[in-house]
Amino acid sequence: AQSVTQLGSHVSVSEGALVLLRCNYSSSVPPYLFWYVQYPNQGLQLLLKYTTGATLVKGINGFEAEFKKSETSFHLTKPSAHMSDAAEYFCAVSSGGGADGLTFGKGTHLIIQP
Amino acid sequence: DAGVIQSPRHEVTEMGQEVTLRCKPISGHNSLFWYRQTMMRGLELLIYFNNNVPIDDSGMPEDRFSAKMPNASFSTLKIQPSEPRDSAVYFCASSQGGAMSYEQYFGPGTRLTVT
Repeated sequence: AQSVTQLGSHVSVSEGALVLLRCNYSSSVPPYLFWYVQYPNQGLQLLLKYTTGATLVKGINGFEAEFKKSETSFHLTKPSAHMSDAAEYFCAVSSGGGADGLTFGKGTHLIIQP
Repeated sequence: DAGVIQSPRHEVTEMGQEVTLRCKPISGHNSLFWYRQTMMRGLELLIYFNNNVPIDDSGMPEDRFSAKMPNASFSTLKIQPSEPRDSAVYFCASSQGGAMSYEQYFGPGTRLTVT
């Protein structure tokens, strides 16, 4: 069985500040890890993914995440927040890549203060 | 490409009525997924298909829910009879499938309200 825990249902940062969204996972097999973003009344869009290889992965819009197996973590960061980053962010895990369903965390609502 | 297409975008129905949600995956994608999003339970996988065959329906909440994929370009999720607790946003997603394809592309969702 797989599970994802996202710490903090709401995170508030000032524009220009560091964004850090936390994600811990549980998986009995080597995981595939994903971060998705959801803007209001829209579907989910992939930000970045970890499959194999380099543990630091870069995604769209300046986001990156680091896979730390020893900590079972996959935290999402962005050096400088922009107002347009305000959205809901979901961490997800899969055991079978694109051919397997995703298990999502509860989501973190990112608020950007001007 | 038009992306994953879902219809209707909004559905309001009365308890006891049959509801059918529709999804057209991205052309060439072999895997299709149905998810449900609620405030209480977040995003949940309901069922997924590979090459039109249902692989895992363990997330389907009750026998009132059924899903079909008669061909590679169309899938339906049916609720009969509907209940107020079925109110949620239902997402369809598709991917190329296979061990080397990792991204699921999500549709805009269908917001279902059962009164």
